[in-house]
Amino acid sequence: GENVEQHPSTLSVQEGDSAVIKCTYSDSASNYFPWYKQELGKRPQLIIDIRSNVGEKKDQRIAVTLNKTAKHFSLHITETQPEDSAVYFCAARKSGGSNYKLTFGKGTLLTVNP
Amino acid sequence: NAGVTQTPKFQVLKTGQSMTLQCAQDMNHEYMSWYRQDPGMGLRLIHYSVGAGITDQGEVPNGYNVSRSTTEDFPLRLLSAAPSQTSVYFCASRRGQTTEAFFGQGTRLTVV
Repeated sequence: GENVEQHPSTLSVQEGDSAVIKCTYSDSASNYFPWYKQELGKRPQLIIDIRSNVGEKKDQRIAVTLNKTAKHFSLHITETQPEDSAVYFCAARKSGGSNYKLTFGKGTLLTVNP
Repeated sequence: NAGVTQTPKFQVLKTGQSMTLQCAQDMNHEYMSWYRQDPGMGLRLIHYSVGAGITDQGEVPNGYNVSRSTTEDFPLRLLSAAPSQTSVYFCASRRGQTTEAFFGQGTRLTVV
């Protein structure tokens, strides 16, 4: 099955700096890569996603890049703010057949220091 | 719309007890899943369903049963609770294979 590795497990930055979280996946057939943000005590919520036919996607201060050859994708947050502090999860979904499962990474705890 | 609703929010069980975690969605989503979240382990898939009457096992299915008699409901049953099942459980639903997953608010379960 699919395996998703996420790094780093914790990341601390100063307000205004950029943050980058990286994920690698094992199955080259994966075609959908979402990122979820989970604030303390809350449910995970989608912040951005990318499909395998696209190399980069941006939404204001958040961007995701995908390198299919290397089988990795990254989340980039620019101009970080204290409210960006949360756990971030990447995920991958394998295409084809009856495979409907999303496989998640283990999460990155991002702390933005004022 | 309420989205995905899970009940209860908190539960304490004794070892060996059984219980059902409820999950309901009002978005007419085909796909529903149950995850457990443990520190440092991310979100691990327990069971999932691609439609009424169809369920399948995920990564960590042992000790749990599910059924999907309607599109809206996807209950998770713990047959005989064990301390290893202490966790936060999330139900999620999504419309299609590559669309956003909406999560419930979670159930914090403690087995003593």
